[in-house]
Amino acid sequence: AQRVTQPEKLLSVFKGAPVELKCNYSYSGSPELFWYVQYSRQRLQLLLRHISRESIKGFTADLNKGETSFHLKKPFAQEEDSAMYYCALRYNQGGKLIFGQGTELSVKP
Amino acid sequence: GAVVSQHPSRVICKSGTSVKIECRSLDFQATTMFWYRQFPKQSLMLMATSNEGSKATYEQGVEKDKFLINHASLTLSTLTVTSAHPEDSSFYICSVGAPDRAKNIQYFGAGTRLSVL
Repeated sequence: AQRVTQPEKLLSVFKGAPVELKCNYSYSGSPELFWYVQYSRQRLQLLLRHISRESIKGFTADLNKGETSFHLKKPFAQEEDSAMYYCALRYNQGGKLIFGQGTELSVKP
Repeated sequence: GAVVSQHPSRVICKSGTSVKIECRSLDFQATTMFWYRQFPKQSLMLMATSNEGSKATYEQGVEKDKFLINHASLTLSTLTVTSAHPEDSSFYICSVGAPDRAKNIQYFGAGTRLSVL
């Protein structure tokens, strides 16, 4: 069955430190992976998707099919990065997303 | 970007009553909408896929008679929680799939917090 795992429930770092939010998935086919972010009292919004290979707000994520991972990275965390981050997998044409448990990122001054 | 409007943002009701939540796609016509449920500090669980003009597709374990979904137009889907009980208290979120299938992006509503007394 398809599954997305985010092993860290909470990640706390200091401003300026590197950050990596882990995401592993299980799926036998070719998945589409996404990172969504939810800032305090705001709706869920797309941060980035693997096929775009882009950097948004300094964040990048590389799909590693060998390790079935899609970790989110940022070299220098900012306080405004504090939010809930969800890794998600889309596995069929129906567009359904499977979300990981989410990781709360807290960036301290 | 796409705008998804969800109403109401918060509702408090008595046990046994029914509650209707609306999800509107303001920027484009959406043949498919999704309904999720989210518990505090937990993941979003897909409840059902709402299909315009046809029956919704429910995920395993979701009672279709309990959570009625109607997608009567290309811009509106409704979720009705029937005979609500305290265990139905949760945060319900809808999303709309972008019309460009190649993008496969979902845009989310702000959510509805349901509290059943």
